[in-house]
Amino acid sequence: SQTIHQWPATLVQPVGSPLSLECTVEGTSNPNLYWYRQAAGRGLQLLFYSVGIGQISSEVPQNLSASRPQDRQFILSSKKLLLSDSGFYLCAWETGGAQETQYFGPGTRLLVL
Amino acid sequence: SQQGEEDPQALSIQEGENATMNCSYKTSINNLQWYRQNSGRGLVHLILIRSNEREKHSGRLRVTLDTSKKSSSLLITASRAADTASYFCATESSASKIIFGSGTRLSIRP
Repeated sequence: SQTIHQWPATLVQPVGSPLSLECTVEGTSNPNLYWYRQAAGRGLQLLFYSVGIGQISSEVPQNLSASRPQDRQFILSSKKLLLSDSGFYLCAWETGGAQETQYFGPGTRLLVL
Repeated sequence: SQQGEEDPQALSIQEGENATMNCSYKTSINNLQWYRQNSGRGLVHLILIRSNEREKHSGRLRVTLDTSKKSSSLLITASRAADTASYFCATESSASKIIFGSGTRLSIRP
C-alpha cells in the first residue's frame, strides 16, 4: 500500500534561517506531488506541484522553493525564512496523470519567530 | 482566488443531528471532492463526485452536485462526536490541479 511521510512534524525557526522540509512517498511510481500551506483556521493554498523528477511548477510568488531530486521525494526549501512563512505545510500525492484523489501527509507545523 | 467556497464557515450541532455543509465554485469542473481534516492533521479524502453525477452516498455521507448552480452539499447523518473536524471541498477542472475551499469547521456537541 502507499504511504506518505513528512518530517519534521513541528519546527520552530528564527527569522532569516534556512528551511528544508521533506516529503517521501512509498508504494507508487511517478506520482504527482504537491506542497500546500494552510494558515491557522484557513483553507489550503497550493504552493508547488510536480509531475516528474526535476519538474516543478510554482503557483504563487514567494520566499519558498521546491525540488524533486528523486521520483518519490519532494523538498520544500527557503534560504531565509520570513515571519509570514509560519503555517502548516502539507505534502500530497496523487496517481500520475489521474488528477483525482490526493493523499495527504501528516503535515509540518512551522513557527517562524 | 478560491475556486470552492464552503458555507457555513463554522457549524455546531448536537450529537445525533444531521450536518449539512455547502460548497460553491466558479468554473466548470470535472469532479468535486470532499476532504476531512482533524485538528493539526493531514486531510483525508471522503468522497468524489463526477460532473455527470448528481448524488453519491458513502456510509453516513451523502453528497449532491448541482452543476447548473455550481454547488455541492455534504450531508453527514446521525452525527457523532468523532465527526468533529474541518471539512473541505476541492474541485478539479480541465485546467488540472485540485483547488481547495476554505473549509467548514464542524463541532458536534455531546
